[in-house]
This record gives sequence, structure tokens and C-alpha cells, in this order.
Amino acid sequence: NAGVTQTPKFQVLKTGQSMTLQCAQDMNHNSMYWYRQDPGMGLRLIYYSASEGTTDKGEVPNGYNVSRLNKREFSLRLESAAPSQTSVYFCASSEDLGLAAYEQYFGPGTRLTVT
Amino acid sequence: GENVEQHPSTLSVQEGDSAVIKCTYSDSASNYFPWYKQELGKGPQLIIDIRSNVGEKKDQRIAVTLNKTAKHFSLHITETQPEDSAVYFCAASKRPSFGNEKLTFGTGTRLTIIP
Repeated sequence: NAGVTQTPKFQVLKTGQSMTLQCAQDMNHNSMYWYRQDPGMGLRLIYYSASEGTTDKGEVPNGYNVSRLNKREFSLRLESAAPSQTSVYFCASSEDLGLAAYEQYFGPGTRLTVT
Repeated sequence: GENVEQHPSTLSVQEGDSAVIKCTYSDSASNYFPWYKQELGKGPQLIIDIRSNVGEKKDQRIAVTLNKTAKHFSLHITETQPEDSAVYFCAASKRPSFGNEKLTFGTGTRLTIIP
């Protein structure tokens, strides 16, 4: 199992350009998440998807859109990149097993720089 | 919404000594508290978690304690080793949740083990 995979690993954009970050998981999880990680601010939730066909905003959704393409794939799109979106982006997935167990599995991250 | 504060932001300890990282949360309804470890260049990985119906949980050299009255929880690492050097994140959420699980993360602690 590859777990959670993200592409690309690194990306440099100019202000105003657009791009899509790809995420896929092979663990048959229902829930998927996009976070951004900035120095001194921890991990902040951008968007999440509880199941195929549903998406909801997290803490910092402005400037982003998402698509839950199918159960495996959850993409994050920046329509018009801004320097404030320079960050490391992590995708995660999870399966809620009620009270028994719970874990979010994270991908390796995409380091995005907007100049 | 939930707010999680984490201290210290950086911590250096001699190899073999103990390390303690503390977190406080604001929402008294939160009942699930995981800790994630992030090694350089990788995504966070769950190392231990605790639910609000227990006060302490141990897994080899790692333990977590929870004080529901004071709304704080701590990570304890004993007999530290060089491979414990990483960034550690605490988080809080309400479980069970219906449809999705949202974690609120602390801002992270960079732990350095000095040989």
C-alpha cells in the first residue's frame, strides 16, 4: 500500500497563476482533508470531504477550491495564486471507526512557493 | 470553535533525559486528544492518543496524561533517543462525529535531542 500520495512535491508559481494539487489514497477511506502548514501556526484545515460527493470548508478556505473526484482522489485548486498561499500543503485521509480507533494518515506534502 | 495552545515551541533535552510537552484546549466538549510526530520532510504520523474517559495512557517510552477539569493534556517521552528529534503536534476533537472528523491542531513543538 502506498498510503496517501501527493503530487507535485515542489512547485513555484507566479502571482495570479493557477494550479491543482493532487491527492490519492489507497486505504478505502471515506474522509479526506487538505491542510496547510506555516511556521508557528501548526496545521490548519482548508477543506475536507466526509465522503465521496461531499465537501465542506475548514478554517482557512478562502482562495481555494476542492474536488472529491471519487473515493480515492481529492484535489485542491488555487485559481489565482497569491504570495500568502506560500506554504506546505498536506493531504490526509481517515476512516472513522467510532469509538474504537481513529487516525488521520498524512501524505508527504507539497511545498508551494508563490512569487 | 476549538482552540488548542501548545508549549513550548522548542525544547532541547540531553539524550536519556525526559521531555514534556503541554497543551490546553478551550472546548469542554472535546473528548479525543491525539499526538502526531512529524519528521523532517514528512507528513505527521499518529504516535499516541487518549480519550476523555481515561486520565493516562502509556506506550513504551511515550505517555499522555489528561486533566479534563483544567482542560490540559501532556505528552511525556522518557529515556529520549536521537530518533525522537522531530516536531510534535497535539490536537483535539469531539468524537464520535457524524460524517467527518475535524482535528484542531496546536502550533507544534520542535524537540531536539542532544547526544
